[in-house]
Amino acid sequence: NAGVTQTPKFQVLKTGQSMTLQCAQDMNHNSMYWYRQDPGMGLRLIYYSASEGTTDKGEVPNGYNVSRLNKREFSLRLESAAPSQTSVYFCASSESYSNQPQHFGDGTRLSIL
Amino acid sequence: AQSVTQLGSHVSVSEGALVLLRCNYSSSVPPYLFWYVQYPNQGLQLLLKYTTGATLVKGINGFEAEFKKSETSFHLTKPSAHMSDAAEYFCAVSAPYGGSQGNLIFGKGTKLSVKP
Repeated sequence: NAGVTQTPKFQVLKTGQSMTLQCAQDMNHNSMYWYRQDPGMGLRLIYYSASEGTTDKGEVPNGYNVSRLNKREFSLRLESAAPSQTSVYFCASSESYSNQPQHFGDGTRLSIL
Repeated sequence: AQSVTQLGSHVSVSEGALVLLRCNYSSSVPPYLFWYVQYPNQGLQLLLKYTTGATLVKGINGFEAEFKKSETSFHLTKPSAHMSDAAEYFCAVSAPYGGSQGNLIFGKGTKLSVKP
């Protein structure tokens, strides 16, 4: 019963490098989300996908892109990493985009030097 | 627009004592409210939620929260703290309709420490 799986769990990048964070859920959920968590800031929504085939910007989308590959998978891409993007990234999913509880992965800890 | 304020970034209680974590919200429409818990190096887990109906909501691990519209509050309580309750707790609000329908707005979190 995996729930929401994120890969990798840890990553160190140099400024300017690119990478893709992967997320997959096995709960047949329609909606998926990417958040970043920074000390004292709570969670801030980067992008979300209310349903397969749609994506929308959240509160802090600059510097990121997303792809809803299929119903299960939702990836987050950093095209040119910056130190300000050092954070813990969480993927989440919910049954639908209607105020349903969200289920979270264990996070990806990303450091950009 | 919705917003959430959690009073106290750190709360420390003794084992067996009452746990009270405070959350106040702002919403232009009747909100949906959630409490999540985060253990070290893990993602967030849902503790409980309020949507409509009974204002006293019971969750997992003995936690409960009461929705008080007049006070715009949704405080989290547990009668007797256990060492395993040490974690960070997040309050979140969403609007069932309106421009940001569905999006969760999280508070900044309250870290709970439990002393033996």
